Amino acid sequence: AQSVTQLDSQVPVFEEAPVELRCNYSSSVSVYLFWYVQYPNQGLQLLLKYLSGSTLVESINGFEAEFNKSQTSFHLRKPSVHISDTAEYFCAVSDWSGGYQKVTFGTGTKLQVIP
Amino acid sequence: NAGVTQTPKFQVLKTGQSMTLQCAQDMNHEYMSWYRQDPGMGLRLIHYSVGAGITDQGEVPNGYNVSRSTTEDFPLRLLSAAPSQTSVYFCASSYNAPGGPSTEAFFGQGTRLTVV
Repeated sequence: AQSVTQLDSQVPVFEEAPVELRCNYSSSVSVYLFWYVQYPNQGLQLLLKYLSGSTLVESINGFEAEFNKSQTSFHLRKPSVHISDTAEYFCAVSDWSGGYQKVTFGTGTKLQVIP
Repeated sequence: NAGVTQTPKFQVLKTGQSMTLQCAQDMNHEYMSWYRQDPGMGLRLIHYSVGAGITDQGEVPNGYNVSRSTTEDFPLRLLSAAPSQTSVYFCASSYNAPGGPSTEAFFGQGTRLTVV
């Protein structure tokens, strides 16, 4: 079974500073990788995804993540954070098991942007 | 297009009571699932369904039942509520293309359940 590790439960960062949220997953033949964001009292929303092709994927609000197969990582980065980025971020891995898609989530990283 | 709708948003139950959390989606997705979210534990899969009439257990199924009589609806039933079931519950749906690329999951807004 897949597993996803988000080592940092909380990451405080000053506004306009860069940030990296780490995600590692257990190896599999082929996986699909996702980052979801959860704002307070809301459900999860897709931030970005890697299915195939370019290993660097970007979101519309300035986040990017790079798929690194050799290190089994999918770290999320942003060069300059904004107050509105304060949220909890979940890394997720999807693979096919028994003919069906199975999704495994990490435990989440709370990003706190300090003014 | 409403997406995934969960009701109720908040619920307080007494130990031993039963209730049903409702989930409906209007995207014609085959795959639906229920998660519970607890502090420091991320999302844990309770039950999932790959289509009408087909359900299976996830990581933490004990104390919960599901059924899938239609593509749109996937209710979660708590048989006899316990304080350990105090949590935030999320329903999600996605398009399940066998052998094809995975698509993202669409989540409801959640149900915050407290069992006293």
